[in-house]
Amino acid sequence: DAGVIQSPRHEVTEMGQEVTLRCKPISGHDYLFWYRQTMMRGLELLIYFNNNVPIDDSGMPEDRFSAKMPNASFSTLKIQPSEPRDSAVYFCASSFPSLGRGTEAFFGQGTRLTVV
Amino acid sequence: GEDVEQSLFLSVREGDSSVINCTYTDSSSTYLYWYKQEPGAGLQLLTYIFSNMDMKQDQRLTVLLNKKDKHLSLRIADTQTGDSAIYFCAEMDNAGNMLTFGGGTRLMVKP
Repeated sequence: DAGVIQSPRHEVTEMGQEVTLRCKPISGHDYLFWYRQTMMRGLELLIYFNNNVPIDDSGMPEDRFSAKMPNASFSTLKIQPSEPRDSAVYFCASSFPSLGRGTEAFFGQGTRLTVV
Repeated sequence: GEDVEQSLFLSVREGDSSVINCTYTDSSSTYLYWYKQEPGAGLQLLTYIFSNMDMKQDQRLTVLLNKKDKHLSLRIADTQTGDSAIYFCAEMDNAGNMLTFGGGTRLMVKP
């Protein structure tokens, strides 16, 4: 398996534009997480899904952020409209709870978003 | 709510031992983890410890868990320049689903 795949790796957009980040989890993993990483706030959990269903979106900063998981192999995080303060690295991770190891999350390479 | 805290920065000389500390608040955590993030990359699992253990050793890595004080540490023996990275501790919620990460400790190894 190629691991968790995120696209694009880098995105530069103008304030007010819509941004869509994509994630393909590891096949067979039933949990998917979206995180945001900034220097100021560290790593923040935005939302997570179990079996394609959003379980906890309390970390989503505001209504401009939305996430979907239409099937087990694809998820999107959308920001509309984007603002400069959304600039960060966004990570997608997937996991499959296994006996004896708890939950090991596998991370994608991240999407570095810059909103100018 | 759950909270995981780490110091921001640690600097050591090559060959010395590094000790990265972490405190957590959820006493029902069953697993605790250490992740490593190298520049420009995502986080990768380094090691984990089950909450009924006090210590786990894996080559140059030693994890110590003090459940009473809710304190977790990662010791890296004979630290190398390739160990320079950000290290995150994380606890798993008692449902076994969600990880809560600390803010990360940036380890700098000087030659």
